[in-house]
Amino acid sequence: DADVTQTPRNRITKTGKRIMLECSQTKGHDRMYWYRQDPGLGLRLIYYSFDVKDINKGEISDGYSVSRQAQAKFSLSLESAIPNQTALYFCATSDLGRVYGYTFGSGTRLTVV
Amino acid sequence: QKEVEQNSGPLSVPEGAIASLNCTYSDRVSQSFFWYRQYSGKSPELIMSIYSNGDKEDGRFTAQLNKASQYVSLLIRDSQPSDSATYLCAVIRGRDAGNKLTFGGGTRVLVKP
Repeated sequence: DADVTQTPRNRITKTGKRIMLECSQTKGHDRMYWYRQDPGLGLRLIYYSFDVKDINKGEISDGYSVSRQAQAKFSLSLESAIPNQTALYFCATSDLGRVYGYTFGSGTRLTVV
Repeated sequence: QKEVEQNSGPLSVPEGAIASLNCTYSDRVSQSFFWYRQYSGKSPELIMSIYSNGDKEDGRFTAQLNKASQYVSLLIRDSQPSDSATYLCAVIRGRDAGNKLTFGGGTRVLVKP
């Protein structure tokens, strides 16, 4: 089993719908992150969490919300999806991130039509 | 000015040659630097990390860091077609208690047989 699991892998949804992307990890890391990737723009941070009670906004949090249900689970929600939220979404975890970097999930490809 | 900048490429390299990738960053007190490889539609995979000035070698990969000039580079020796991918430079900025990675836009590398 993968260390960081994202579901679903692919999703097509309609404008205005609410959608949740889920992430779970077995690495025992405290820190979890949600990034989105658009062609040519690299990965941009949406939200991050240091533990269940510590949630922080990243550089592009507008239109998104998150929930840290447990140390191992971190969900990203789009309350009312819009087409420019079409992107590849990655969940990542870290322990001592400045030394070891991050471990990424396999990604969720989201298309909003 | 972007925090982390890379030439988007594509960088076309003959098989067996050296591929040289560059990355510049704006925060002078950035402390940790990473190179990730990403195949199309897949998640980023950590290939190198470097924290102090100089060179760090791992197999066919060499990372070079020059903090005075604020750049980090990656050399891929004896390039193989399997090295064809997008390479992402990532930085942890100084004074960042969250150890958040900031990514460049990536350089696409094409190794031609």
